[in-house]
Amino acid sequence: ELKVEQNPLFLSMQEGKNYTIYCNYSTTSDRLYWYRQDPGKSLESLFVLLSNGAVKQEGRLMASLDTKARLSTLHITAAVHDLSATYFCAVISNFGNEKLTFGTGTRLTIIP
Amino acid sequence: KAGVTQTPRYLIKTRGQQVTLSCSPISGHRSVSWYQQTPGQGLQFLFEYFSETQRNKGNFPGRFSGRQFSNSRSEMNVSTLELGDSALYLCASSPGGAATYEQYFGPGTRLTVT
Repeated sequence: ELKVEQNPLFLSMQEGKNYTIYCNYSTTSDRLYWYRQDPGKSLESLFVLLSNGAVKQEGRLMASLDTKARLSTLHITAAVHDLSATYFCAVISNFGNEKLTFGTGTRLTIIP
Repeated sequence: KAGVTQTPRYLIKTRGQQVTLSCSPISGHRSVSWYQQTPGQGLQFLFEYFSETQRNKGNFPGRFSGRQFSNSRSEMNVSTLELGDSALYLCASSPGGAATYEQYFGPGTRLTVT
């Protein structure tokens, strides 16, 4: 069964600092998503990563995928308060029943 | 293009009752998936429907069921509600199968079971 782990689970960081959220998964996958969720809200799609070495950037967020290491990272550059949210990675296995399996989420709080 | 819509947005039910939630996908999308989100278990896949057929199912008891209509709208039903069914239920639609196409999520239905 596919397992997806994120770390850290909680992250408080000061505005202006850089940090990285890690997403590890347990089986072969070429399809990984990053989502953002604000409290009480639905999921907003951030990035779709479809191949080894894929890198995508939007504003202060950059996501990358290393399928050999089964690892994706979400890097935050010069954090601002508006980035405070919970971030999820989600993976679809290349094998098995192809359901979207979510990580535990990382609750990010940006402190002024 | 209108996004995924879910009704109702909030619902309070009593243990033992049943509930039906509705999801209207983005126009032209044929796949609808349902997810349950709780603080303890996180986001968990319930099932996926594609062209009125259940393609995939998560590890939930038979009390959880769903269906999809010819216009791609989907409903999920939970019978004999338990306190642990309190959750945010999210549906997502995609143009084709969820394994291949990006999913777009609706606003969710917040179900509280008392």
